[in-house]
Amino acid sequence: DQQVKQNSPSLSVQEGRISILNCDYTNSMFDYFLWYKKYPAEGPTFLISISSIKDKNEDGRFTVFLNKSAKHLSLHIVPSQPGDSAVYFCAASDRGSTLGRLYFGRGTQLTVWP
Amino acid sequence: DTGVSQNPRHKITKRGQNVTFRCDPISEHNRLYWYRQTLGQGPEFLTYFQNEAQLEKSRLLSDRFSAERPKGSFSTLEIQRTEQGDSAMYLCASSLERPLNTEAFFGQGTRLTVV
Repeated sequence: DQQVKQNSPSLSVQEGRISILNCDYTNSMFDYFLWYKKYPAEGPTFLISISSIKDKNEDGRFTVFLNKSAKHLSLHIVPSQPGDSAVYFCAASDRGSTLGRLYFGRGTQLTVWP
Repeated sequence: DTGVSQNPRHKITKRGQNVTFRCDPISEHNRLYWYRQTLGQGPEFLTYFQNEAQLEKSRLLSDRFSAERPKGSFSTLEIQRTEQGDSAMYLCASSLERPLNTEAFFGQGTRLTVV
């Protein structure tokens, strides 16, 4: 059962524009959410996270929004740059019971073109 | 210490052979995780250590798989009698136990190909 879903396998955005990557989850016990970025042949790199007590977290060009009632989160990248082209994974954790185990979505391939 | 280190980066083995992978976590991290990623999928949890204790194992971890973390430092993942379905990227991650808002840092992975 896929508890974290990324329904868009790919996204193409022009440089300078906003990239919006979406993620849905089904487990209401999830209370910590993360975004990872992955280049080919490398491990995932942590990007940004958000706790369920917040609805927004911002770090430079990256902002994550959390809508708990809709069980939905999104990652906004503004402005998008060609170096942002990578696969982005959404991940979630139930810190109370799963001891840090992460549940990942299938990823969204972001392509930023000049 | 610059991050999580995994060796080897690539491994090609014949079906039926045994393979062992090593992971060196970030030195002060007491939590260590193994994940597996196949093409088109996100990483899937395999097992988790807190210090030297293996606290959780996924149903994905069949009897042919065994993981250890002696002395709570590096970890090894062994696959016995490899099968073609074991071909995947094996990822190791580490994190701190406290504070709770802490992300897991991943290594570069070991790409296993079973022929």
